Amino acid sequence: EVQLVESGGGLVQPGGSLRLSCADSGFTFSSYWMSWVRQAPGKGLEWVANIKEDGSEKNYVDSVKGRFTISRDNAKNSLYLQMNSLRVEDTAVYFCAREARYSNSWFYFDYWGQGTLVTVSS
Amino acid sequence: QSVLTQPPSVSEAPRQRVTISCSGSSSNIGSNAVSWYQQLPGKAPKLLIYYDDLLPSGVSDRFSGSKSGTSASLAISGLQSEDEADYYCATWDDSLNGWVFGGGTKLTVL
Repeated sequence: EVQLVESGGGLVQPGGSLRLSCADSGFTFSSYWMSWVRQAPGKGLEWVANIKEDGSEKNYVDSVKGRFTISRDNAKNSLYLQMNSLRVEDTAVYFCAREARYSNSWFYFDYWGQGTLVTVSS
Repeated sequence: QSVLTQPPSVSEAPRQRVTISCSGSSSNIGSNAVSWYQQLPGKAPKLLIYYDDLLPSGVSDRFSGSKSGTSASLAISGLQSEDEADYYCATWDDSLNGWVFGGGTKLTVL
């Protein structure tokens, strides 16, 4: 059974840092792109970043570039999001999601974790 | 303001059919596959449709997807109370080099 379990959320002051983790099981982690997607309270989904199977390629939404870093450890089946210089507007539930591939070209999110809440407040 | 445009809300009676639209541009829907997600209150999103119109295993065939040009649609037939949820479309945007989501549509079953 595929499982994605996020951890590391909590309360942090503006300007602070936090590292999120996503422990994955039930599939060959090193064969998939992975993403972080967030959802501010009462708002819609916003993609944050993704990373290629071997970690060689990473993409970010503009609002987090230079502040957040996505990484992975395929030996530990884990995905990470290092969040620095946090802002109040980064407050959200952060989901990790697996990117499945159809016909070798078309991607979609087929499994999601339950999410971890990050609250940025003084 | 989301890159993909969805109606904020739709409502319909039980056993009826409803459609949710998702409008984009040539750099996203016009050139990439669309997927749809259902999010129940307090839960993680769940995949409903991928590659525009394909149904994942285990998803009810009351759900269907379509795409034409730079717009996509999700249809739900035989509405049931458990279909009340938020629905999101998503695709890759070649100009932004990232995933984009619609703003979400809240479905109410009257």
